[in-house]
Amino acid sequence: ILNVEQSPQSLHVQEGDSTNFTCSFPSSNFYALHWYRWETAKSPEALFVMTLNGDEKKKGRISATLNTKEGYSYLYIKGSQPEDSATYLCAFKDTGGFKTIFGAGTRLFVKA
Amino acid sequence: SQTIHQWPATLVQPVGSPLSLECTVEGTSNPNLYWYRQAAGRGLQLLFYSVGIGQISSEVPQNLSASRPQDRQFILSSKKLLLSDSGFYLCAWSGRETQYFGPGTRLLVL
Repeated sequence: ILNVEQSPQSLHVQEGDSTNFTCSFPSSNFYALHWYRWETAKSPEALFVMTLNGDEKKKGRISATLNTKEGYSYLYIKGSQPEDSATYLCAFKDTGGFKTIFGAGTRLFVKA
Repeated sequence: SQTIHQWPATLVQPVGSPLSLECTVEGTSNPNLYWYRQAAGRGLQLLFYSVGIGQISSEVPQNLSASRPQDRQFILSSKKLLLSDSGFYLCAWSGRETQYFGPGTRLLVL
């Protein structure tokens, strides 16, 4: 059974704080690792897709790293803003290619 | 560009009633299609996926079923809803690397 774990489950930070979350996934049959941003009552929005060990992606204040050999990815947010408040989902795709397995998400609350 | 539609947006149904949620995709052909559910306080659970017309794979045994009568249409159904079917249902299609989600249907079973 493929399992994707995310930690912490939730996180409360002050505006301006930098923060990071962890996603762990199976290290075998790896194809891709996705990060999504999910606001309440909206659809998840794709942030990054990473396929190679050592990949680093960046979009504005948000960045992500990937270690496929040990099966983890980190998402970093620099200088958190209230509008960053959302659930951040990671998702693992194996070499079978059809299924994407999602973690339970990290719920981020940024207080002004 | 590709667009994914879901309806209805919100649904309140009594226990034991039937269910039909519809998802359609525009702007792409032969997409892989998915139904996910988020139960209260939990992550996204993959329910069904389809790689082509009439081809459905079920991930979780339950009282739900899915059908794909046309290339870009994916339907989630139930003959008799349970309280535990309440949740937020998302349809998605898969591009080369990323999944794109519909707006979702919030289902409340009373």
